[in-house]
Amino acid sequence: ETGVTQSPTHLIKTRGQQVTLRCSSQSGHNTVSWYQQALGQGPQFIFQYYREEENGRGNFPPRFSGLQFPNYSSELNVNALELDDSALYLCASSRQGGYEKLFFGSGTQLSVL
Amino acid sequence: AQSVTQLGSHVSVSEGALVLLRCNYSSSVPPYLFWYVQYPNQGLQLLLKYTSAATLVKGINGFEAEFKKSETSFHLTKPSAHMSDAAEYFCAVSDAGNQFYFGTGTSLTVIP
Repeated sequence: ETGVTQSPTHLIKTRGQQVTLRCSSQSGHNTVSWYQQALGQGPQFIFQYYREEENGRGNFPPRFSGLQFPNYSSELNVNALELDDSALYLCASSRQGGYEKLFFGSGTQLSVL
Repeated sequence: AQSVTQLGSHVSVSEGALVLLRCNYSSSVPPYLFWYVQYPNQGLQLLLKYTSAATLVKGINGFEAEFKKSETSFHLTKPSAHMSDAAEYFCAVSDAGNQFYFGTGTSLTVIP
């Protein structure tokens, strides 16, 4: 059983650029959630994808967007990067349902200069 | 709305001492509660979860947590701390929807 994998592990961008982060979900999981973890904070929910459709969104602007593919892998896209977007971005997969535990990847550390 | 509050951003214990990490939740519906651990440069790993079965939940690595509805608490304990327990611990609540709400975390230091 493969775990959740994220790429890249680290990324440096400049303000105004666009970035794409990738996530492969754990085998057997059909739901992918993305979280932003700022330094010293807990993870904040960005959005969730289920069966290739967005299935809930946190308090993040539209420049944060995503995709889920038929194999349940996912991408997080962030346009017009701002300095405050610097954070650890975590992908988590699960079976559908909030009571199901989330399996997290190791994250992508994004630095915006 | 769901939320959790973790009391104490930093906790230090001696090796072999009791570990107690505090979490209080706010939920408008019966909650699902979780504790996760995060080691440096890693993602979050589930320690245990409460989903309305037994109020005392046993997790991995000797950790357990007790759900107390009257106190809206879900504190995490371990009888005897080990050096390998040093990490960041997060309490989270879910309303069985699609979103988990995490606390701000408690950093556990274990003193040899």
